[in-house]
Amino acid sequence: QQQVRQSPQSLTVWEGETAILNCSYENSAFDYFPWYQQFPGEGPALLISILSVSNKKEDGRFTIFFNKREKKLSLHIADSQPGDSATYFCAARNTGNYKYVFGAGTRLKVIA
Amino acid sequence: EAAVTQSPRSKVAVTGGKVTLSCHQTNNHDYMYWYRQDTGHGLRLIHYSYVADSTEKGDIPDGYKASRPSQENFSLILELASLSQTAVYFCASSDRRGVNNQAPLFGEGTRLSVL
Repeated sequence: QQQVRQSPQSLTVWEGETAILNCSYENSAFDYFPWYQQFPGEGPALLISILSVSNKKEDGRFTIFFNKREKKLSLHIADSQPGDSATYFCAARNTGNYKYVFGAGTRLKVIA
Repeated sequence: EAAVTQSPRSKVAVTGGKVTLSCHQTNNHDYMYWYRQDTGHGLRLIHYSYVADSTEKGDIPDGYKASRPSQENFSLILELASLSQTAVYFCASSDRRGVNNQAPLFGEGTRLSVL
């Protein structure tokens, strides 16, 4: 059972556009949501994260929007650059056992 | 600098053989995790640990054992390696203590091929 779902599986945008990556979850015990960026051959690197008590988190060109009622969140990448081309994972922490569950990822390609 | 180091970085094993993947962290974190990554599945949790000498089952523990002999070290053991265990394995550490939430920091991964 996939507890964290991501969409789309892959996304292509032009340089300068805003890329929107979606994530949804089912477990109400999830309280913290980090997003990771992964380049081929490397480990996932933390990009930005949000607690369930917040509805928005910004860090430079990266913004998370969070809707607790609908159990949905999204990562917006403004002014996308070719260097942003990577796979992005949404993760969720279970507040009961501190386990992190990951989505299947969204592969982003930014065309110059 | 916070770091999670995995060894080996890649390994070829024979079916039925024993494989040990090692992980070392210098972050003074209490939690450590082992994930496997397969195309289309993201990262799936195999085992994790929140204190030395204790391990917990993750979501896909079958065929794997884990060992946490110290706070800094966490190993993943495949007693009888199988073809289906060919994957990239990631170790991560995180800290539950303290005021700030800290998402897991990942190592560079170990690419395991079972033939």
